[in-house]
Parts: sequence; C-alpha cells; structure tokens
Amino acid sequence: EIVLTQSPVTLSLSPGERATLSCRASQSVSAYLAWYQQKAGQAPRLLIHDASNRATGIPARFSGSGSGTDFTLTISSLEPEDFAVYYCQQRSTWPLTFGGGTKVEIK
Amino acid sequence: QLQLQESGPGLVKPSETLSLTCTVSGGSISNSNYYWGWIRQPPGKGPEWIGSINYSGSTFYNPSLRGRVTIFVDTSNNHFSLSLTSVTPADTAVYYCARPKQLAVGGCFDLWGQGTWVTVSS
Repeated sequence: EIVLTQSPVTLSLSPGERATLSCRASQSVSAYLAWYQQKAGQAPRLLIHDASNRATGIPARFSGSGSGTDFTLTISSLEPEDFAVYYCQQRSTWPLTFGGGTKVEIK
Repeated sequence: QLQLQESGPGLVKPSETLSLTCTVSGGSISNSNYYWGWIRQPPGKGPEWIGSINYSGSTFYNPSLRGRVTIFVDTSNNHFSLSLTSVTPADTAVYYCARPKQLAVGGCFDLWGQGTWVTVSS
C-alpha cells in the first residue's frame, strides 16, 4: 500500500501567518492527492482534490501543489477558524490511504 | 440536499460482529455509479479507509482488515451497511460513511456522515 507521511506533526503559528504543510508518498500517486481539514468532534472536510483543485466553497487562501510523491498544502494567511488538523489522502491505488496528519495550532 | 447518517450499536463485545448502516437521504444510491465508502478513525489517529461499494454491489476492501469486513448495499431502502467480524479493542473508533467526489473507482470524499462512535469492550 502507499504510505503517506505528513510533516511537520505540529505547526505552531499565529493568525495571519502563512502555513506550509507537506505530504510525501512512498510511491508516485500522480496528481491523485486530496487534503482535508478536521476539527474536534467533526468529520473531515475536503479542501483540495487532485493536488491543486479547491473543493466547493473552500476559500482561496487554501492552495495545493505538487505531483508524483511530494505535495504541499498552503494556507496563505491563517484565520482563527483554520487551526485544526489536516490530512492528506491518495486515490491513485487501492487501498485508499490517509496520512497521519498535521496539527496547526495557535502559537 | 444529499445527507448520510450512520446508525448501529455503540458498544460491541470482543470477538463479536460490528454492524453499521449508512442511510442516504435526499437522493438515490442508484442514481450514479459512486463507490460509497466506510472510513474509521481510532481516537487520536488519522482516518483509515475500510472499503467501498457501488449500487450494483461491486466492492473494494482494505487488505489490512484481513477478510473480516463485508460491505453490502440495499438499494430498495437506500442504504449500505458494514459488517466487521471478530472485533478487538483495536477496532474501537469513530466510523464514518462517505460519498466520493468522483464517479471513477477510487475517490476522495466530499460528503460525510456525522460519524458514530463504536467501542469494543466486554
């Protein structure tokens, strides 16, 4: 199975700062990578699909890039509601797999 | 709009079978060839995909569950269900059902149920 490794595990930032999250795949997933945001007690929310496409209703401050094995989620300027856990997921190959997550916390 | 709702027991004894149902409202499972999914998330960990099924009963399962999982669909009642046998405390998790964004086999999930907590304990 394809293993997704996310870094850092925790990112401590202040509102207004830029957040850069990484997801590395153990083998190429082409552009078939998604990003989710999850807040406590809630289901994951799809942010980005196919590496760089924002899902419906997702603000423009969220952007995704990358292909192959290295991917990045960027939040250009953190809003208070953006402090949460973020996961990546690949859909290139069965079984579908998720990364271990990056927690973006308030510094 | 389309909504998903999980239901089932919140407590299952070790070695028994976990059974959950996902009821789809606001639309028909049979309308499009989505591969509806089950995903679980143990406390403090990332999500784990369990398996997916389409309206005709075609399934894909996570090999990590070693043949313990069955997913089946009931189009007449517009729901799909999960059966996980021989459970252990390691199966304790929030269980979600979800619909993928893509019609193609293998997708990312843009519509989720609220999740249901299942504890495996005697």
